[in-house]
Amino acid sequence: AQSVTQLDSQVPVFEEAPVELRCNYSSSVSVYLFWYVQYPNQGLQLLLKYLSGSTLVKGINGFEAEFNKSQTSFHLRKPSVHISDTAEYFCAVSDSRGYSTLTFGKGTMLLVSP
Amino acid sequence: DTGVSQDPRHKITKRGQNVTFRCDPISEHNRLYWYRQTLGQGPEFLTYFQNEAQLEKSRLLSDRFSAERPKGSFSTLEIQRTEQGDSAMYLCASSLSLGQGEYEQYFGPGTRLTVT
Repeated sequence: AQSVTQLDSQVPVFEEAPVELRCNYSSSVSVYLFWYVQYPNQGLQLLLKYLSGSTLVKGINGFEAEFNKSQTSFHLRKPSVHISDTAEYFCAVSDSRGYSTLTFGKGTMLLVSP
Repeated sequence: DTGVSQDPRHKITKRGQNVTFRCDPISEHNRLYWYRQTLGQGPEFLTYFQNEAQLEKSRLLSDRFSAERPKGSFSTLEIQRTEQGDSAMYLCASSLSLGQGEYEQYFGPGTRLTVT
């Protein structure tokens, strides 16, 4: 079984500032890791994923994340945010033996203000 | 590629009524998932299908819930005798599984259920 902890329920930030959204996971097996974004009243859109290889993963909209196995973390970063990045962000994990079901964290609301 | 679609987008029902939701996955995807998302929480897995076979069900899926995917294409999720605690967003996702690998899950827009 896996679990995901997103340490911040809400992160306020000014436009053009850098941001980091934190995610830690727990698992007894190897995992795949994902970040999804959800805009109001919409489904989830995949931002990026870590399957294997390089621990620094680049995704859409200028986001990147770094897998740290020793700290069981997969933090999401963006060097300069825009107003349009305001949304809910979810970290998720699945068993690497086959994607199978996703276990999500509770989400972090990113609030970008001018 | 039209993406994953769900119908209806919103449903308001009275406690005790039955409701049914539909999900149409991306056409070539053989796996279909249902998740439930309550306010302030991340999505929680309910069940998934590989083609028409239901392979896994969460303990969250009480006996009032039933899901089908009769021809391995669209799926329905039925909730009988709805309760206020069933109020949530019901999300459908689909993916392509080939051999030992599976590609990422694509999510639909969800069906928001309100039980009054």
